[in-house]
Amino acid sequence: NAGVTQTPKFRVLKTGQSMTLLCAQDMNHEYMYWYRQDPGMGLRLIHYSVGEGTTAKGEVPDGYNVSRLKKQNFLLGLESAAPSQTSVYFCASSSVADDLHTYEQYFGPGTRLTVT
Amino acid sequence: RKEVEQDPGPFNVPEGATVAFNCTYSNSASQSFFWYRQDCRKEPKLLMSVYSSGNEDGRFTAQLNRASQYISLLIRDSKLSDSATYLCVVNMNRDDKIIFGKGTRLHILP
Repeated sequence: NAGVTQTPKFRVLKTGQSMTLLCAQDMNHEYMYWYRQDPGMGLRLIHYSVGEGTTAKGEVPDGYNVSRLKKQNFLLGLESAAPSQTSVYFCASSSVADDLHTYEQYFGPGTRLTVT
Repeated sequence: RKEVEQDPGPFNVPEGATVAFNCTYSNSASQSFFWYRQDCRKEPKLLMSVYSSGNEDGRFTAQLNRASQYISLLIRDSKLSDSATYLCVVNMNRDDKIIFGKGTRLHILP
C-alpha cells in the first residue's frame, strides 16, 4: 500500500514550457486535490476532483488544468509555465462518507518545480 | 478576519516543557477540524482530528471551542522530534472549503 505517490519529485522548466504532474493513490479515495505551497502563503488549493471524470477549480486555478480519467489518478498540467509557478506541489486524497463528510487528507511527497 | 489564523511562531521551547498553540477560524459553519504536522521539505501528515469533546493521543491533546471559534493543540513533555510546523485545518465539508492555516513553527531545544 503506497498511499499517495507523485511524479516527478523535482523538475526545472523554462518559461513557456509545458509539463504534467502525476498523482496516484491506491486507497480507493473518491476525492483528490492539488495544492501549491509557497513560503509564507501556506497551502493553496489549485483544483480538486470529487470523483472519476469530474474536476473543479480551487482557490488558485489560473495557469493550470487537471484531468481525472481514472479514479486512482489525478493529473495537473501546466500549459505554459511561468516563474510565478515556481513552487512545491502537493497532491492529496480523501475518502468521503455518505453525508459528504470528508475525512482527513493523505498527501503525496510533493513535486518541487522551478521555472526559470 | 482571516478564515483560519495561526501564530506563525517560531516557538522555541526546551525539551520536556509543555507547549500550546491556538488556531482561530472565522466561519461558524465549519464542521471538521484537524491538526497536521509538516516536517521541513516534507508533506503534511495528519497528527490528530479534533472532536467537540476534546481528544487526547499520548502526549498530545486537542480541544475545540465552538463558541469562541478556536481549536488548540497541547504538547506535553516535548521531545526534540516534535520540532516541526503544525498546521490547523478547518473543513466545512463542502469539497472546496478545506482551509489550511499557514502553520506554527515549533523548535524544541535540547
